[in-house]
Amino acid sequence: EVQLVESGGGLVKPGGSLRLSCAASGFTFSTYGMNWVRQAPGKGLEWVSSISGSGTYMYYADSVKGRFTISRDNAENSLYLQMNSLRAEDTALYYCARGLRGVISYSDIWGQGTVVTVSS
Amino acid sequence: EIVLTQSPGTLSLSPGERATLSCRASQSVGSSYLAWYQQKPGQAPRLLIYGASSRATDIPDRFSGSGSGTDFTLTISRLEPEDFAVYYCQQYLTSPATFGQGTKLEIK
Repeated sequence: EVQLVESGGGLVKPGGSLRLSCAASGFTFSTYGMNWVRQAPGKGLEWVSSISGSGTYMYYADSVKGRFTISRDNAENSLYLQMNSLRAEDTALYYCARGLRGVISYSDIWGQGTVVTVSS
Repeated sequence: EIVLTQSPGTLSLSPGERATLSCRASQSVGSSYLAWYQQKPGQAPRLLIYGASSRATDIPDRFSGSGSGTDFTLTISRLEPEDFAVYYCQQYLTSPATFGQGTKLEIK
């Protein structure tokens, strides 16, 4: 079964850091680009970042550029999002999603998400 | 950045009726860089349509997508009770990939 499971969310103070992880299974992880998409409480979907299958190419939303870093470990079938200098507006449910057709892509498989709350 | 505007914000219909949801882009996304998702409360988004008109795996044929350039449409031919949800369009022509703000399809 194709599956994505996120972890690492939690409560963090403004200015703090958090590292999200996404464990992939059931498919050849290294051949797919991967995405992080977030959803603030009661709001719509917001694309955060994408990474190519090899990890060579990475893209970020302007709202997180310079603060967040996407990475992957193909040997471990894992995707990561290092989040630094967190702000209240980063509070959201963060989804890991498999990308199709290029690095900037649509997503056919989604995890259930991990909640990040930035509050003092 | 390509801005996607979905309309209407809320659509109230009855089971069995036809639903037409619109997604308009601030600049052309070509003929195939547009996807549609369905999201129900407490669930992750589900891919419905990619390439503007191709149905994803296991998506019923009552869902169809059309359009090109800046104007796209998701049509649900005959609404089933399980179709009432929020629908998002997404463009993936260029970074940043962007989503529309969503259309809530509610039971009338």
